[in-house]
Amino acid sequence: DADVTQTPRNRITKTGKRIMLECSQTKGHDRMYWYRQDPGLGLRLIYYSFDVKDINKGEISDGYSVSRQAQAKFSLSLESAIPNQTALYFCATSDSQGDRAYGSYNEQFFGPGTRLTVL
Amino acid sequence: QKEVEQNSGPLSVPEGAIASLNCTYSDRGSQSFFWYRQYSGKSPELIMFIYSNGDKEDGRFTAQLNKASQYVSLLIRDSQPSDSATYLCAVNPGFNKFYFGSGTKLNVKP
Repeated sequence: DADVTQTPRNRITKTGKRIMLECSQTKGHDRMYWYRQDPGLGLRLIYYSFDVKDINKGEISDGYSVSRQAQAKFSLSLESAIPNQTALYFCATSDSQGDRAYGSYNEQFFGPGTRLTVL
Repeated sequence: QKEVEQNSGPLSVPEGAIASLNCTYSDRGSQSFFWYRQYSGKSPELIMFIYSNGDKEDGRFTAQLNKASQYVSLLIRDSQPSDSATYLCAVNPGFNKFYFGSGTKLNVKP
């Protein structure tokens, strides 16, 4: 099945460490997203990419960076992790073909999530 | 003001009842609207989308959209304990934006 995968699924790290979360997809979608989810705050967009050469900041990009290595791969890095970056991180994909068919319809498909704990 | 507002709940309904979940949004230009279901510790999964005013039915689920009132709702008929989850409303105001509400937790009691 075409899918969205994330590695690692769980990660515990220490303050100041650099870590990378990886996302891969076999859906053939051109758009990819990184979200974090905190209790009571819902999903908040960190970065999004509409193709390999197009990367954009979301609402909470400070402290994060991303790399779109290929259409199917989108990585999120925390250059120097801090405790308030402890959260559940989701990668998502969508297909711009939906825009052309329905205007702005672009359903997002989510990976299984990475639970990150920064001590 | 948040882009998408939802009551956090929990909303408790007995098994077999109708659960009504509500969402308001701030951008009048929003064109498509989504309801995602998220079980605890799992990823969100799409259950309904709607982009025209009125009702859209899919099995036990009905999405309702009123663009004039900037309001979208989800009705779940014959609620089951397996429907117990957090329901996220999402709004697409344009090609490069996508906002989620913080979700409403639904508890269906056997």
